[in-house]
Amino acid sequence: AQSVTQPDIHITVSEGASLELRCNYSYGATPYLFWYVQSPGQGLQLLLKYFSGDTLVQGIKGFEAEFKRSQSSFNLRKPSVHWSDAAEYFCALVSGGYQKVTFGTGTKLQVIP
Amino acid sequence: EAGVTQFPSHSVIEKGQTVTLRCDPISGHDNLYWYRRVMGKEIKFLLHFVKESKQDESGMPNNRFLAERTGGTYSTLKVQPAELEDSGVYFCASSPGQGETQYFGPGTRLLVL
Repeated sequence: AQSVTQPDIHITVSEGASLELRCNYSYGATPYLFWYVQSPGQGLQLLLKYFSGDTLVQGIKGFEAEFKRSQSSFNLRKPSVHWSDAAEYFCALVSGGYQKVTFGTGTKLQVIP
Repeated sequence: EAGVTQFPSHSVIEKGQTVTLRCDPISGHDNLYWYRRVMGKEIKFLLHFVKESKQDESGMPNNRFLAERTGGTYSTLKVQPAELEDSGVYFCASSPGQGETQYFGPGTRLLVL
């Protein structure tokens, strides 16, 4: 069965510092991978996605993620965090046929001045 | 273009009552999905419509949950009778077709007392 693991439940970073959120997946083939963000009181917004091709994908709001097949990882990064980035971040995958999305448990990001 | 909308945004009901959640997908999107996040847990798939037909309802927790999509436009998810463990956030998503990105609504926050 496919699964997504986000090992960090909470992360606190200082504004302006770099950020890396970890995501590992388990799936028999190459999945489609996503990062979504949920700001307080808001819905889920798609940050970026990986289907195939270049393993470094760029997303909105200055985020990027790198697919590493050998490590079954799809970590999210941002070089300089802004206070408005405080939110909950979800890594997700979809198997071939693209039906149900499997989510990780989420990582809550706190940004301190 | 309007995104996925959900109504109501919040609902507080007593155990044993009935609640109906509504989702309006992005216009033209044949695929509609329901997901749920119970507090502290990951977001989990409930079911998938293609137009008015249920493609996959493997995630529906029990027969107290009934989803419909009459006419292949908006969808409703009815919980009858509601139990305490039904509390959580119910998300709806839509996509133009299979193999394409799912766009999520803001969610309905359900609290069963």
